[in-house]
Amino acid sequence: DGGITQSPKYLFRKEGQNVTLSCEQNLNHDAMYWYRQDPGQGLRLIYYSQIVNDFQKGDIAEGYSVSREKKESFPLTVTSAQKNPTAFYLCASSDRALTEAFFGQGTRLTVV
Amino acid sequence: QKEVEQNSGPLSVPEGAIASLNCTYSDRGSQSFFWYRQYSGKSPELIMSIYSNGDKEDGRFTAQLNKASQYVSLLIRDSQPSDSATYLCAVIYGTSYGKLTFGQGTILTVHP
Repeated sequence: DGGITQSPKYLFRKEGQNVTLSCEQNLNHDAMYWYRQDPGQGLRLIYYSQIVNDFQKGDIAEGYSVSREKKESFPLTVTSAQKNPTAFYLCASSDRALTEAFFGQGTRLTVV
Repeated sequence: QKEVEQNSGPLSVPEGAIASLNCTYSDRGSQSFFWYRQYSGKSPELIMSIYSNGDKEDGRFTAQLNKASQYVSLLIRDSQPSDSATYLCAVIYGTSYGKLTFGQGTILTVHP
């Protein structure tokens, strides 16, 4: 089945620790995105990539980093510089021929 | 700052009624418009896309776009309790495939 897989579903981070969220897609989509959602709010763009080995900052990139070494993979690292990382993180992808984005099931990150 | 605004809600309608969800956007250069449905704790799923002025119907859902007024709406006919969710309006500016800007969402409750 084609789709976007995020892992883990739940993640707990200690203060000062870096964590990496995985996102893999087998849809052969060129573009991939990371969004953050806080309770009762819409989605905000963290980073996006439209081709391999290239990515751009979104609206709230501070404290996050990404890589795009393979077309199907776009991992997000939440660094210790992100002071308020507790949120629901959503990965998405889109095809050049279409403009809508499709989402993975999300990772819920909590700082403990 | 490109913005997307939705009617604040929450919106409550009786089963069988028409639910009307509204969205305005700030940039006249917007090309593509989407409605996503998000159940509590889940990721958004695409329910409608619209690219040109007028109405687009898909089953019980009708999206309406008026670019002159910078307004897009979603009508849900014969509302069902299973339609109870948060509805997110999203806009793509220019040709940024999948780079969505989201509204804050409207919570819809359909009561029996």
